[in-house]
Amino acid sequence: LAKTTQPISMDSYEGQEVNITCSHNNIATNDYITWYQQFPSQGPRFIIQGYKTKVTNEVASLFIPADRKSSTLSLPRVSLSDTAVYYCLVGDPPNQGGKLIFGQGTELSVKP
Amino acid sequence: DAGVTQSPTHLIKTRGQQVTLRCSPISGHKSVSWYQQVLGQGPQFIFQYYEKEERGRGNFPDRFSARQFPNYSSELNVNALLLGDSALYLCASSGTGTSPGGEQFFGPGTRLTVL
Repeated sequence: LAKTTQPISMDSYEGQEVNITCSHNNIATNDYITWYQQFPSQGPRFIIQGYKTKVTNEVASLFIPADRKSSTLSLPRVSLSDTAVYYCLVGDPPNQGGKLIFGQGTELSVKP
Repeated sequence: DAGVTQSPTHLIKTRGQQVTLRCSPISGHKSVSWYQQVLGQGPQFIFQYYEKEERGRGNFPDRFSARQFPNYSSELNVNALLLGDSALYLCASSGTGTSPGGEQFFGPGTRLTVL
């Protein structure tokens, strides 16, 4: 499974747009990019998943360039409740089964 | 609908003891995976079970074992506990069809403290 690199921490203020970039230089053809969110003492929660170009849901957007060697999670107008750790994962969901490989994640702190 | 449930919520054990953690998946999910999360790190994959068979195993010693029951619930057992086993143990479920893959839904975890 491809290794991912993301910033250890980021700070933001309420109402701002936050972009978290993840590098995955060794991504394989069948790999998807998935982002999870985790609050303290809770299990991770699926945010968004994509293969290429742009994916948007009610929570976030995921931007993936043509070479797919990186991706950017975009959180519009963050609030204090978005303070959490965000994990970028790369893998082939149908064949990966339950084996998700988490890195260290990005600790996002949203301030008033 | 109930999400993934885990029990107990918290547990304190001493070195050398054995512990059993329990997980009930979302109704209809056939796959259960276990993860260990040490403070300050991302979750680390321990096991995956699908249709009561082991489908994957992470880099953990034989002191760790698991099983899945006919109702798809699962137990994680850890023998001869070490201080380093102190962590949040997470269970995730997925897989409503013939594939064990798909979005993982995590439970709240069991916080294990080994003294």
